[in-house]
Amino acid sequence: AQSVAQPEDQVNVAEGNPLTVKCTYSVSGNPYLFWYVQYPNRGLQFLLKYITGDNLVKGSYGFEAEFNKSQTSFHLKKPSALVSDSALYFCAVRDGDNQGGKLIFGQGTELSVKP
Amino acid sequence: KAGVTQTPRYLIKTRGQQVTLSCSPISGHRSVSWYQQTPGQGLQFLFEYFSETQRNKGNFPGRFSGRQFSNSRSEMNVSTLELGDSALYLCASSPRQGTAGTGELFFGEGSRLTVL
Repeated sequence: AQSVAQPEDQVNVAEGNPLTVKCTYSVSGNPYLFWYVQYPNRGLQFLLKYITGDNLVKGSYGFEAEFNKSQTSFHLKKPSALVSDSALYFCAVRDGDNQGGKLIFGQGTELSVKP
Repeated sequence: KAGVTQTPRYLIKTRGQQVTLSCSPISGHRSVSWYQQTPGQGLQFLFEYFSETQRNKGNFPGRFSGRQFSNSRSEMNVSTLELGDSALYLCASSPRQGTAGTGELFFGEGSRLTVL
């Protein structure tokens, strides 16, 4: 069965420092991987995705993610964190093209960026 | 282009009642998915509709149901509400089912249900 793990419930970073939010996955077949962000009392916003191709994926708001097949990881990164990046981040996986709108989400990581 | 619209945004019900939530997808999107978000269980897939047909279903009891209309708008219904049904219910749309080329879902802001 497909699964996604976000090993950290919370990540604390100082503004201006690089940030990493970790995600590992387990799927059968080729993984379709996503990162979403959720601000308080809001829905989820799409950040970036990996379908195929380059292992380094660039997304919205300066975020990027590195797909590592051997480590089954898809960590979210940003070179310089902003206070406004503070939010709840979700990694998600869809098993190929067979599951349509069904995503398996991780438990989420609360990112806190302090001035 | 308008985003995904969910109504109502907030509602309070009592145990045993039923509730209907509505979702209007982005214009031109034909696939609508529903998710339940709770602090304990996180985000869980409820079901997906495409062209008025349920294409996928998550592991929820039969009290949870949904439908999609010819204009792609969708509703979900929860009957005989339980305290544990208190959650944020999120609707997401995408252009079509199984879009391998894009794949991302566009989420609404959710309907927050409180069951007393």
